[in-house]
Amino acid sequence: GAGVSQSPRYKVAKRGQDVALRCDPISGHVSLFWYQQALGQGPEFLTYFQNEAQLDKSGLPSDRFFAERPEGSVSTLKIQRTQQEDSAVYLCASSPPQGPEQFFGPGTRLTVL
Amino acid sequence: RKEVEQDPGPFNVPEGATVAFNCTYSNSASQSFFWYRQDCRKEPKLLMSVYSSGNEDGRFTAQLNRASQYISLLIRDSKLSDSATYLCVVYRDSGYALNFGKGTSLLVTP
Repeated sequence: GAGVSQSPRYKVAKRGQDVALRCDPISGHVSLFWYQQALGQGPEFLTYFQNEAQLDKSGLPSDRFFAERPEGSVSTLKIQRTQQEDSAVYLCASSPPQGPEQFFGPGTRLTVL
Repeated sequence: RKEVEQDPGPFNVPEGATVAFNCTYSNSASQSFFWYRQDCRKEPKLLMSVYSSGNEDGRFTAQLNRASQYISLLIRDSKLSDSATYLCVVYRDSGYALNFGKGTSLLVTP
């Protein structure tokens, strides 16, 4: 079946612009995660949804970052007033109810100029 | 201090060699451990879970030492296709999100 998909795959933004990154999890996966991966680093946890409920947003680096999953399927990560330090790959992952493996999407590579 | 520490390498080994990676974790209450593999500019993919008794999957063996809080991955008879970054992963306190190490880069050469 289809895996986790993310769009766009690449995004270039000017500093100060708002961006929206989309994640389509695997059908039937109730858990959805966002991670940020800077160059040469491992992924860092940003936020977690169980269905439409955002249960943990402790990893969001600032209040410029906002995530939603209104119908419990597709999720959007929004970054307002982007800064150069936001440049990274943003990975979305989903996992089935029985867990624990997380399946990752291909990521969105964000470059802020 | 990061919760999961790995030697970033790179490890350059010839085909057929045996190579071992270690990682240490700081939270003694951690219960679940994994190795993920990440190819260049690709997403991480689960390689194997790590069980207390140690486990093997073909050429790959994972070990957990709870007393010393370290995890190891052994790759025997390395193949060119094993070239990738290997990420050591521990479940966060929450029990659902993952803590990743920086990754160890492996290059297998002909």
